[in-house]
Amino acid sequence: QKEVEQDPGPLSVPEGAIVSLNCTYSNSAFQYFMWYRQYSRKGPELLMYTYSSGNKEDGRFTAQVDKSSKYISLFIRDSQPSDSATYLCAMNPPQGAQKLVFGQGTRLTINP
Amino acid sequence: DTGVSQNPRHKITKRGQNVTFRCDPISEHNRLYWYRQTLGQGPEFLTYFQNEAQLEKSRLLSDRFSAERPKGSFSTLEIQRTEQGDSAMYLCASSLVDRGRNIQYFGAGTRLSVL
Repeated sequence: QKEVEQDPGPLSVPEGAIVSLNCTYSNSAFQYFMWYRQYSRKGPELLMYTYSSGNKEDGRFTAQVDKSSKYISLFIRDSQPSDSATYLCAMNPPQGAQKLVFGQGTRLTINP
Repeated sequence: DTGVSQNPRHKITKRGQNVTFRCDPISEHNRLYWYRQTLGQGPEFLTYFQNEAQLEKSRLLSDRFSAERPKGSFSTLEIQRTEQGDSAMYLCASSLVDRGRNIQYFGAGTRLSVL
């Protein structure tokens, strides 16, 4: 079993829809949670990060962390065709190498 | 451009050849990471540096792989005697560790194709 599980999709929604992306994890030591967006043949671009449990909002994006359920989410409101990309969740513990452990990534397409 | 820079962007090589990639991190960042990403998968950790010291290597990093970060600035990743299974995107990330927070910023990656 992988440390971080993420549905690879693909997920296709109409423009303007609310998108929900999710990851589950097994390592309770994870404290920092990140969402990266990756366009085809590009490097991952940091969208948001949260520490421990709670919500964080940045424009059309909202990240949620539920440590009790080991479940994190990213919501995209008023989705745009330019949001079409692969979304990667990542997390790391607060000590040591703090290497990121990634989910598989969810491929999202927003249809005009 | 003050982001993480990687060169070359794409490398095509024949099996058995040696290749070297370079990463220039964000200037004030003290940590530098290498990851590998294959098609349809998330990046996987290879190794990392704290300043010039290489502190951890993944089991994915066979003895054909070597990484350096002289003077704690740019880093190079060399693969000797390349194999077709080495074909992947090699990503570099840098970060500034601050009170436990370690937010990593990635470069555009080097795509390696081994023929």
